[in-house]
Amino acid sequence: DGGITQSPKYLFRKEGQNVTLSCEQNLNHDAMYWYRQDPGQGLRLIYYSQIVNDFQKGDIAEGYSVSREKKESFPLTVTSAQKNPTAFYLCASLNDAGAVTEAFFGQGTRLTVV
Amino acid sequence: ILNVEQSPQSLHVQEGDSTNFTCSFPSSNFYALHWYRWETAKSPEALFVMTLNGDEKKKGRISATLNTKEGYSYLYIKGSQPEDSATYLCALPLFESGYSTLTFGKGTMLLVSP
Repeated sequence: DGGITQSPKYLFRKEGQNVTLSCEQNLNHDAMYWYRQDPGQGLRLIYYSQIVNDFQKGDIAEGYSVSREKKESFPLTVTSAQKNPTAFYLCASLNDAGAVTEAFFGQGTRLTVV
Repeated sequence: ILNVEQSPQSLHVQEGDSTNFTCSFPSSNFYALHWYRWETAKSPEALFVMTLNGDEKKKGRISATLNTKEGYSYLYIKGSQPEDSATYLCALPLFESGYSTLTFGKGTMLLVSP
């Protein structure tokens, strides 16, 4: 079955560590996105990519980095520069960069700094 | 930044009640509007993608309308059931410099009690 897989589901990070969240899709979608959700807030865009080897900063990119070396994969690294990384992270993909078709989502990764 | 507003923030109804939520957005530069249902511990799933003013879509007991001239969409649930309990998200594509992203509202959290 086609879909998006995020891993891990739960992640604990020590202060000062970088961690990488995985997002893989087998839907052959060009566009992929990373969102962050905090309590009481909507989904906020971190980074997005509409083609391999190209990505753009979203509204809250500081302290994060991404790569898009393969169409299927869009990993997100939460660096030590991210001051408040504890949050729920959601990956999405779209077949249509014009966004008139539906987006598909992973099940999310909950990151906690300990 | 595209401002997408959803109301109410949360709603608690009894089984069998009908309910509706609102998504408000700037009426200029409209391309499409997405509705998603996000159940706890699951991925958000698309309900509707709407593109035309006056559009009405229906899926079972759930329907949606769109008014692009005044900048709002309504989502209706007829005869709510406990399995309808979820957060309902509205999203619109935003185009900037040749790239498109999806901007989400904060969602309406619906709880249906038996």
